[in-house]
Amino acid sequence: DADVTQTPRNRITKTGKRIMLECSQTKGHDRMYWYRQDPGLGLRLIYYSFDVKDINKGEISDGYSVSRQAQAKFSLSLESAIPNQTALYFCATRKNTEAFFGQGTRLTVV
Amino acid sequence: GIQVEQSPPDLILQEGANSTLRCNFSDSVNNLQWFHQNPWGQLINLFYIPSGTKQNGRLSATTVATERYSLLYISSSQTTDSGVYFCAVAERTGTASKLTFGTGTRLQVTL
Repeated sequence: DADVTQTPRNRITKTGKRIMLECSQTKGHDRMYWYRQDPGLGLRLIYYSFDVKDINKGEISDGYSVSRQAQAKFSLSLESAIPNQTALYFCATRKNTEAFFGQGTRLTVV
Repeated sequence: GIQVEQSPPDLILQEGANSTLRCNFSDSVNNLQWFHQNPWGQLINLFYIPSGTKQNGRLSATTVATERYSLLYISSSQTTDSGVYFCAVAERTGTASKLTFGTGTRLQVTL
């Protein structure tokens, strides 16, 4: 089993719909992150969290919200999806050193 | 925030050739990692290397933190090395460290 699991792996949704992307980890790390990758570009940080009581905005948080339900779970929500949120989304975890990434969620908003 | 620049942006190699990818960063960092994103989109950890030199098979990396750069060396390249190579650095902000990514080097290895 993967240490960092994202669900779903692929999703197509309609404009205006609410969607949640989920991430769970078995590494026992305290820090969790959500990134977005657009075609041909690097990863940009949406939100990050140090623990269940600590949520921080990244560089592109508008249109997104997150929930840290437990140390091992960090969910990303799009309250009202729009087409320019079509992208590849990654969850990551980190303790003090190396970061580990999930397999990614490919989201298409039509 | 910290800026991370990678060069070259694109690279085409013939199988068996060697290459050097560079990552420059604008400020002091706690950590630095190199990743390979394969054609299926998966991010694979290559090196965690905030300083010094490491080797893993045909790949090696060197980070000179005082001069704010890191190099990734690929020797005897294979077609499976194709994909995008990212470096990412961690700066300390508040209570959590943020990982900032470069824009990547897209590598294509041809037969």
